[in-house]
Amino acid sequence: AQSVTQLDSHVSVSEGTPVLLRCNYSSSYSPSLFWYVQHPNKGLQLLLKYTSAATLVKGINGFEAEFKTSETSFHLTKPSAHMSDAAEYFCVVSGKKGGGADGLTFGKGTHLIIQP
Amino acid sequence: EAGVVQSPRYKIIEKKQPVAFWCNPISGHNTLYWYRQNLGQGPELLIRYENEEAVDDSQLPKDRFSAERLKGVDSTLKIQPAELGDSAVYLCASSFEQGGLNEQFFGPGTRLTVL
Repeated sequence: AQSVTQLDSHVSVSEGTPVLLRCNYSSSYSPSLFWYVQHPNKGLQLLLKYTSAATLVKGINGFEAEFKTSETSFHLTKPSAHMSDAAEYFCVVSGKKGGGADGLTFGKGTHLIIQP
Repeated sequence: EAGVVQSPRYKIIEKKQPVAFWCNPISGHNTLYWYRQNLGQGPELLIRYENEEAVDDSQLPKDRFSAERLKGVDSTLKIQPAELGDSAVYLCASSFEQGGLNEQFFGPGTRLTVL
């Protein structure tokens, strides 16, 4: 079984300040982890993914995340927030039972608000 | 490159009526997924196809939901009869799997409202 917990339902930051969106995971297998972003009335877009290579993963639009086994965490960060970052962010886990495709298990989402 | 196409984008029906959603995945993608996203929640997997075979439908409510992907390309998800609790956004995604875990690309979704 696998699950993710997004620790904050809403995060509000000022434009130009750092962003931190927190995610803890649970998996019976060596997990693959993702962050997706969903802008209003648009499809989900992949920001970045971790698949057992480097633990610090860089994604699009300046986002990055660090996989920490000891803390079972995969927090998303960005050094400087931009107004266009306002959206819903989902932490996602997929178990790899010996490889192969799998459905994704989504967290409940964190709504990121950017204050001007 | 065209993305995942879904239609309709919006659908409003009365309870007990049937409804169908259509998905055209990205060309060449062998794996197709249907998810349901309730308001304020993350998407939940309903069914996954590898080519035309449904390999994971454990979360599909089979008493009223059905899906098909007859030629391993387009897919249709049907609800009959619809209930008030089925109001949600239905998302289709596709990927090209080669034994590894490759990115799933999502369509814009169909927003269903059941009155």
